[in-house]
Amino acid sequence: GAGVSQSPRYKVAKRGQDVALRCDPISGHVSLFWYQQALGQGPEFLTYFQNEAQLDKSGLPSDRFFAERPEGSVSTLKIQRTQQEDSAVYLCASSAGLAGVYEQYFGPGTRLTVT
Amino acid sequence: QKEVEQNSGPLSVPEGAIASLNCTYSDRGSQSFFWYRQYSGKSPELIMFIYSNGDKEDGRFTAQLNKASQYVSLLIRDSQPSDSATYLCAVNGKGSNYQLIWGAGTKLIIKP
Repeated sequence: GAGVSQSPRYKVAKRGQDVALRCDPISGHVSLFWYQQALGQGPEFLTYFQNEAQLDKSGLPSDRFFAERPEGSVSTLKIQRTQQEDSAVYLCASSAGLAGVYEQYFGPGTRLTVT
Repeated sequence: QKEVEQNSGPLSVPEGAIASLNCTYSDRGSQSFFWYRQYSGKSPELIMFIYSNGDKEDGRFTAQLNKASQYVSLLIRDSQPSDSATYLCAVNGKGSNYQLIWGAGTKLIIKP
């Protein structure tokens, strides 16, 4: 069956450019998470959606980061005016559960390099 | 003190031996504990989850949870070279029923 997909897999942006990262969760999964993972570190929580509602955006590092999931399925993470410190792998995960901590399934990630 | 701590390794184990991976966490209220495996350049994949004190076995993997000591471990029996990866411990935190707090991972190397 189809897992979580993300696109693009790799993105190189010049400092100051805007980027948009897409996530297609597993069909029917109501919960969607975005994480940022730096080399040699565990994933860091960015934001959480339950269907189309963004219930938690406490992990977004700055107001340059914005995420949406307008129809409760596909999600987009947008980074405006990219900076070098934004270089990382951005992971999307989905989960079938509405409440309680259910297993999260990850996409392959988007590796963002800001030059 | 980090909220979820793991020894970064690398932990080197001979093929066929038992690999023991450890994780400690700071939030006494945590209820859900997960072990993920991450191969280099790949995304994390779920190995096991455990919610209750004690042991939980799944094939060659055993998760052990001790809430009193705030300690969770993963044992891998009959280690194979394909088990070589980074193992991430994740714990629900901050009183959340959805947010996971992640350790930095332990790199495991299985030597043939």
